[in-house]
Formats: sequence, C-alpha cells, structure tokens
Amino acid sequence: DAGVTQSPTHLIKTRGQQVTLRCSPKSGHDTVSWYQQALGQGPQFIFQYYEEEERQRGNFPDRFSGHQFPNYSSELNVNALLLGDSALYLCASSLDRIGGDTQYFGPGTRLTVL
Amino acid sequence: AQSVTQPDIHITVSEGASLELRCNYSYGATPYLFWYVQSPGQGLQLLLKYFSGDTLVQGIKGFEAEFKRSQSSFNLRKPSVHWSDAAEYFCAAGGNKLVFGAGTILRVKS
Repeated sequence: DAGVTQSPTHLIKTRGQQVTLRCSPKSGHDTVSWYQQALGQGPQFIFQYYEEEERQRGNFPDRFSGHQFPNYSSELNVNALLLGDSALYLCASSLDRIGGDTQYFGPGTRLTVL
Repeated sequence: AQSVTQPDIHITVSEGASLELRCNYSYGATPYLFWYVQSPGQGLQLLLKYFSGDTLVQGIKGFEAEFKRSQSSFNLRKPSVHWSDAAEYFCAAGGNKLVFGAGTILRVKS
C-alpha cells in the first residue's frame, strides 16, 4: 500500500519564477492538505482540497494556489516566488470525515529560492 | 486564536532514561490531538492520536500520550529512550486544518 508521494524531491528556483509541486494521496484517501515548513519551525497550513475544490485556506497570499484532480492527486502552485518561500512543502492526505481525520504526510518537496 | 505550544525547544536524555515532551493547546473546543515525529530532511510520521475516549493513548515505537482537559495538555511519554528516537517531535491539534507547535528536538546521549 503506497503512502503519500510527492515530486520533485528538491527544487531550486529564482525570485519571480513560478513553481508547481505535485502530490499523490495514500490509497483510499480523498482529501489533500498542503503545509509549508520553514527551517526551524512547525508546519503551517496552506489549504485543503476535497472534491476538486479548495475547502479551507490558511493565512497565505493568493500567490499560492492549488488544484485537485479527479483521481484525488493535487498540485500546489506558487507564483512570483520570494526568497521567503524557501521551505519544505508537505502534502498530507486523509479521508473526508466530519470534524476531520488523521492526516498522513509525504516526504516533502524542498524548495530553494535564490 | 488556535495555538499549540511546545515549551521545550531542545531536550537531551540518556539512552534508557524516561522521556516526557510537553504540549499545551488553546482551542475553542477539545480538538483532535496528534504527535508526529520528523527525522532530518524527512516528512512527518504519525506516532499517535487522540480523538475521544480513553485519555491515555498508545502509539507506535513504545510512545504514549495522556490527554488532560483541565490542563489543556497532551504530553508525550516513553519509559525508555533508544538512540534511534533522536528526532524532532511535533504536537498538533485540529481537524481538517492542523495547527502545529514549533517542535521539540530530542537528543539522546549514550
């Protein structure tokens, strides 16, 4: 049973560029959440997707957008990259339940913005 | 505002000694509570969770946690630490949206 997978593992971009990160959820899961983890900090919630729609969003600017596909996989897009966007981006998948459910995390994508 | 506090940034324990990592939460109602572990450069692995019921929950790798509503705490414990337990530990609270603490780095000395 494959867990949550993310690609790519590492990515280097320059300021102003755009980036797309990808996530495949754990088998049987239908909900995908994205988190940003800056160095030395805990993960911060970006947004959650369910039924191909953004269901909940954290305190991140509109430069951060996402998408969920019919097979439940998801993409995170970041436009106009800033140096401060350098972080580990974590994807988590779960089953949709009232009040939430356990989120299982992927290995993350390390984004470096130069 | 919802928040999770892990008061200890670093903890060092000797191999074989007991461990307790502290976690306090501030939430409108009792949230779901989780402990995750992260090795350097890796994702988060779930250790245990509390949704309701028995306030002492067992997890993987010999870890347990106790939920105390009166203290808004969910402390993680292990009776005997192994060198392989060295990692960063995160407490989290919430449902669809998880709020994480800043983490506690555990060092194990032999």
